[in-house]
Amino acid sequence: DAGITQSPRHKVTETGTPVTLRCHQTENHRYMYWYRQDPGHGLRLIHYSYGVKDTDKGEVSDGYSVSRSKTEDFLLTLESATSSQTSVYFCAIRQQGYEQYFGPGTRLTVT
Amino acid sequence: SQKIEQNSEALNIQEGKTATLTCNYTNYSPAYLQWYRQDPGRGPVFLLLIRENEKEKRKERLKVTFDTTLKQSLFHITASQPADSATYLCALARDFGNEKLTFGTGTRLTIIP
Repeated sequence: DAGITQSPRHKVTETGTPVTLRCHQTENHRYMYWYRQDPGHGLRLIHYSYGVKDTDKGEVSDGYSVSRSKTEDFLLTLESATSSQTSVYFCAIRQQGYEQYFGPGTRLTVT
Repeated sequence: SQKIEQNSEALNIQEGKTATLTCNYTNYSPAYLQWYRQDPGRGPVFLLLIRENEKEKRKERLKVTFDTTLKQSLFHITASQPADSATYLCALARDFGNEKLTFGTGTRLTIIP
């Protein structure tokens, strides 16, 4: 258990509203990731972080921003949510052996 | 960009038989390849990692092969059990300095009692 929690676990929001998802880890891992998972597309990387204040874009970063002000927290923000951002969002950390451990996911619905 | 294809969306196997899942990739040869298991409503769980210079890796009833000539990895579950029913994902990393994984869409495996 890599000690990863995500909050909220479920959220319904309206188009145009800002949304922030939180990923929290308890084991001081350097690398953290945000993915979204959609039918037919699998897991796609949104953003990742390789240290405090160090982040980089993934495959589907448009419409998303991230912040990492502390090692243990990695925040994903949808500045103005759209229906295309309805998805399941997973946070992950990378272990020293390169394997990734995933959180339980956040199901986001944008109406 | 890397494209990954996993053989089929769904695979049904009789209990006790060997299940074989395929992961094919195009473009660059990855430095390493990983397999994950995902159960409904849960995050993926890491199973095995195989490096570019390794041909085969085993872990209990699981075996992974990596053929860089064919650009293919095979994932085998021997003596399959109903509890092995899940979606299995393969993921590739370009090199050890690049921390991004590219995932396939997965194969949903059902073991029939």
